[in-house]
Amino acid sequence: AQKVTQAQTEISVVEKEDVTLDCVYETRDTTYYLFWYKQPPSGELVFLIRRNSFDEQNEISGRYSWNFQKSTSSFNFTITASQVVDSAVYFCALSWNFNKFYFGSGTKLNVKP
Amino acid sequence: NAGVTQTPKFQVLKTGQSMTLQCAQDMNHEYMSWYRQDPGMGLRLIHYSVGAGITDQGEVPNGYNVSRSTTEDFPLRLLSAAPSQTSVYFCASRRTVGSGANVLTFGAGSRLTVL
Repeated sequence: AQKVTQAQTEISVVEKEDVTLDCVYETRDTTYYLFWYKQPPSGELVFLIRRNSFDEQNEISGRYSWNFQKSTSSFNFTITASQVVDSAVYFCALSWNFNKFYFGSGTKLNVKP
Repeated sequence: NAGVTQTPKFQVLKTGQSMTLQCAQDMNHEYMSWYRQDPGMGLRLIHYSVGAGITDQGEVPNGYNVSRSTTEDFPLRLLSAAPSQTSVYFCASRRTVGSGANVLTFGAGSRLTVL
């Protein structure tokens, strides 16, 4: 069975604060792929990152960073120095074959000026 | 290059009515899929297709039909709408090779209300 849990339903921060969005996954597959998507208030879904199960290197892209830990089945997302434009719903997703994608319930991030 | 186009953006139906949500992509993606998004439940896969003439069920297929006669189009049919099908529907496609492969590209969504 494949499952993604995003326990944080909603997070509110003040601009310039750092914030971490948690993602915990369950899978029996040894090869799998993890994703993060952003859904701004306009409603579209925007791809942020894909990670392979065999590559545990953390990744940084500007103010965004991702921490992948197989030992704890987690793929957490950190935004450094948050901005109002980061306000959105963020989804973590899991797939083992790119045909079926399993999404978490999402975390709504509110960044206040 | 329009990407993934969904129509209509909004629709209100009465219980028992039928309708089709349209999805078209111009990126020559073999894979296409439909998701529904409900509050507190994220996105759940309804049906997907790996190519023309091939479809398969996702997590929540009941009440929905699909067919794939061309690479470009993947319509989602509700034969007898129920209030439980009130949701936002997203169509997504992905390429299988090359740069950006195996990453879903989503349409803008279709908001359906069933009264």
